[in-house]
Amino acid sequence: AQTVTQSQPEMSVQEAETVTLSCTYDTSESDYYLFWYKQPPSRQMILVIRQEAYKQQNATENRFSVNFQKAAKSFSLKISDSQLGDAAMYFCAYEKYNNNDMRFGAGTRLTVKP
Amino acid sequence: DAGVTQSPTHLIKTRGQQVTLRCSPKSGHDTVSWYQQALGQGPQFIFQYYEEEERQRGNFPDRFSGHQFPNYSSELNVNALLLGDSALYLCASSLEQGVTGELFFGEGSRLTVL
Repeated sequence: AQTVTQSQPEMSVQEAETVTLSCTYDTSESDYYLFWYKQPPSRQMILVIRQEAYKQQNATENRFSVNFQKAAKSFSLKISDSQLGDAAMYFCAYEKYNNNDMRFGAGTRLTVKP
Repeated sequence: DAGVTQSPTHLIKTRGQQVTLRCSPKSGHDTVSWYQQALGQGPQFIFQYYEEEERQRGNFPDRFSGHQFPNYSSELNVNALLLGDSALYLCASSLEQGVTGELFFGEGSRLTVL
């Protein structure tokens, strides 16, 4: 079974600063996807960034980047130049390749202080 | 381009009743997955429908059942409601032949069981 662990229930960051959210996962598969989803109070889950396990290069989307350590089964999210609109629940998720059964961690609540 | 739509947005039921939740996938998507998100937790996979059949199922009892229609829309049915079924129910759609693995989520249906 695949499990996803987010060890930080809550994180806080000052506006314009950088924060890193942690995620580890457990799998015996070699091909899979990893995702970070954002869930604001409006409830709709929004994709922040995705990473394919076969790619060694870390994914980057504007202010969002990941540190993917396949051997360590670690997938952290770095948010640079934090903005008030970044405040939300962030979920790390795993999906086996060619299998749309996505598994989520328990989430990290990010607060951005002005 | 319409995204994933769910109805109703909120509903209240009493123990023992039955509920039906509805989902229309994003235009062009053919696969629908349902998730249960308890308060303060990450989404838990209930099941996935493709070609009008349940393809995968998470660790949920048979009280949870579903259906997918020829137009790819889907329903989630829960019988004999328990207090513990109170949660946000999320529908997510995807493309079976998609290459990104990404799920697109609706805003969810908030079910309260009294």
